[in-house]
Amino acid sequence: QSVLTQSPSASGTPGQRVTISCSGSGSNIGSTTVNWYQQLPGTAPKPLIYRDNQRRSGVPDRFSGSKSGTSASLAISGLQSEDEGDYYCAAWDDSLNGVVFGGGTKLTVL
Amino acid sequence: EAQLVQSGAEMKKPGESLKISCQGSEYRFTSYWIAWVRQMPGKGLEWMGIIYPGDSDTRYSPSFQGQVTISVDKSISTTYLQWSSLKASDTAIYYCARLSGVLGSDFDYWGQGTLVTVSS
Repeated sequence: QSVLTQSPSASGTPGQRVTISCSGSGSNIGSTTVNWYQQLPGTAPKPLIYRDNQRRSGVPDRFSGSKSGTSASLAISGLQSEDEGDYYCAAWDDSLNGVVFGGGTKLTVL
Repeated sequence: EAQLVQSGAEMKKPGESLKISCQGSEYRFTSYWIAWVRQMPGKGLEWMGIIYPGDSDTRYSPSFQGQVTISVDKSISTTYLQWSSLKASDTAIYYCARLSGVLGSDFDYWGQGTLVTVSS
């Protein structure tokens, strides 16, 4: 059971907008910034969003992040087939004194 | 651009020891924390621990404390993840990742991963 909670799956058709949520608590998301990672099949995780809503260099502006209270979201607009993969949120947890990841959301492009 | 290159896949038997590596290049190695992250087959990412090469300050996740050892050799810009006695449940892909700044979860560069298979 992950400290950060993500829906196990999400899906959309090409061109659609999908949102992936990440729920935590006051000791993690509520007190620090959230980062998002994309893991395409068979590859290492790739940084997407840092400090809640900043896109990493080279990441298309179709990807955006937001945070409110103890929850964060990753939105992907103009969905493309190459976006299919797993998405993870992460945050530092002051109680555990370490990094916690969400369980991951598997995005399927129909 | 910074790069993290990990050692190759390993196949071991239960009870054996193992040390895998992660070499950093094209950046000031001693100035950035390096973390280790486990991904068991078909599962998500788990943070194992982190080390600051500058002074070897090391922190472990409670889940991995006492189970593994993280170390560094500054002279060759390499961090290590070590087991003294492997179990079948250690079968996983292990990633190293560089923290972009202060202690947190912003990993800006990742190694390619090392597959460790433990089977009798």
